Amino acid sequence: EVQLLDSGGGLVQPGGSLRLSCAASGFTFSNYAMSWVRQAPGKGLEWVLGISGSGGSTYYADSVKGRFTISRDNSKNTLYLQMNSLRAEDTAVYYCASHLTTVTTPQDYWGQGTLVTVSS
Amino acid sequence: QSVLTQPPSVSAAPGQEVTISCSGSSSNIGNNYVSWYQQLPGTAPKLLIYDNNKRPSGIPDRFSGSKSGTSATLGITGLQTGDEADYYCGTWDSSLRWVFGGGTKLTVL
Repeated sequence: EVQLLDSGGGLVQPGGSLRLSCAASGFTFSNYAMSWVRQAPGKGLEWVLGISGSGGSTYYADSVKGRFTISRDNSKNTLYLQMNSLRAEDTAVYYCASHLTTVTTPQDYWGQGTLVTVSS
Repeated sequence: QSVLTQPPSVSAAPGQEVTISCSGSSSNIGNNYVSWYQQLPGTAPKLLIYDNNKRPSGIPDRFSGSKSGTSATLGITGLQTGDEADYYCGTWDSSLRWVFGGGTKLTVL
């Protein structure tokens, strides 16, 4: 059974940093692209970053470029999201998601989400 | 402002049929497959339709998808109260990013 377990969320001050993790199990992690998708309170879905199965290619939304970094450790079956220079508008539930194959294909499995709150 | 445009809400009675539209452009829907996601209250999104009209294992055939040009449509027949959820369309964009619609809230009256 495929499982994605998001963790690392919490309360952080504006300008601060946070690292999210997503532990994957039940599939060959390195064979699949992964993404982070966020959802601000009461709002819709916003894709923010994606990474290829090998980790060699990464993709970013303009809203987080230069501040957020996506990475993966295929030996640990874990996806990461390093968030720096956090802003109030980054407050959201962050979901990790696996793709059917490459990052251009849809997200077929999703984690339960982890809440990031940016506030002083 | 979402790249893909969906109606904010739709409603219909139990047992009836409803459609949800998703409008984009040649840089996204016009040249890529469309997916649809269902998000029940308080839960993570779930893939409902992919490659315009394919259903993942376990998704009932009451759910269907279609695409024409730069627009796509999700159809749900035999509406059930358990179908009340937010529905999102999504696709890959030529700017090398995923884009989603703003979401449509389905109310089963």
